[in-house]
Amino acid sequence: DAEITQSPRHKITETGRQVTLACHQTWNHNNMFWYRQDLGHGLRLIHYSYGVQDTNKGEVSDGYSVSRSNTEDLPLTLESAASSQTSVYFCASSDWDRGTAYEQYFGPGTRLTVT
Amino acid sequence: TQLLEQSPQFLSIQEGENLTVYCNSSSVFSSLQWYRQEPGEGPVLLVTVVTGGEVKKLKRLTFQFGDARKDSSLHITAAQPGDTGLYLCAGTLGGNAGGTSYGKLTFGQGTILTVHP
Repeated sequence: DAEITQSPRHKITETGRQVTLACHQTWNHNNMFWYRQDLGHGLRLIHYSYGVQDTNKGEVSDGYSVSRSNTEDLPLTLESAASSQTSVYFCASSDWDRGTAYEQYFGPGTRLTVT
Repeated sequence: TQLLEQSPQFLSIQEGENLTVYCNSSSVFSSLQWYRQEPGEGPVLLVTVVTGGEVKKLKRLTFQFGDARKDSSLHITAAQPGDTGLYLCAGTLGGNAGGTSYGKLTFGQGTILTVHP
């Protein structure tokens, strides 16, 4: 069965360190998204990609970067981790077809704590 | 300011009761989704509505999209403990299915529902 996986599931890091969160999908979806989830804010879009070599900034992109070298993976990098980036991070993907592009499939999430 | 306002934020009810969750905006959405999320997991899509006034039913869940496509509601009949979770509405802005809004979702804050046995 097709799926979307994230690793690690839990991560504790120190302020100032670089951290990379992995996202891998086997749906063969062109669109991939990274969100953070904080209490009272729902899900906020960090970065997204419509295909290989394409990346775009979301509403809360400062301090984060992504790269898309293949269809399956969209790793999220925190350049210099800050305590404000303590959150739960979700990766999602959707099909290119305009009829289903808004139906996103989510990974299980990564809980990141920055101390 | 949240583009999509969900209410209530918290809902605690007894098994068998009915409930309604609302999702409101001053903006027009070309489509709107409802997701359900359980602790430690990612959101799972329940339904997509795209036409103003559209009503969709999924067993005991009824979803409605407002006529002006600015609001939506989720009604659960005879709630069960298995319905407990976080319910999120999410929409795509505007009537343009392509362009800068393509595939992007704006989420409400969520409604935490607890159904007690």
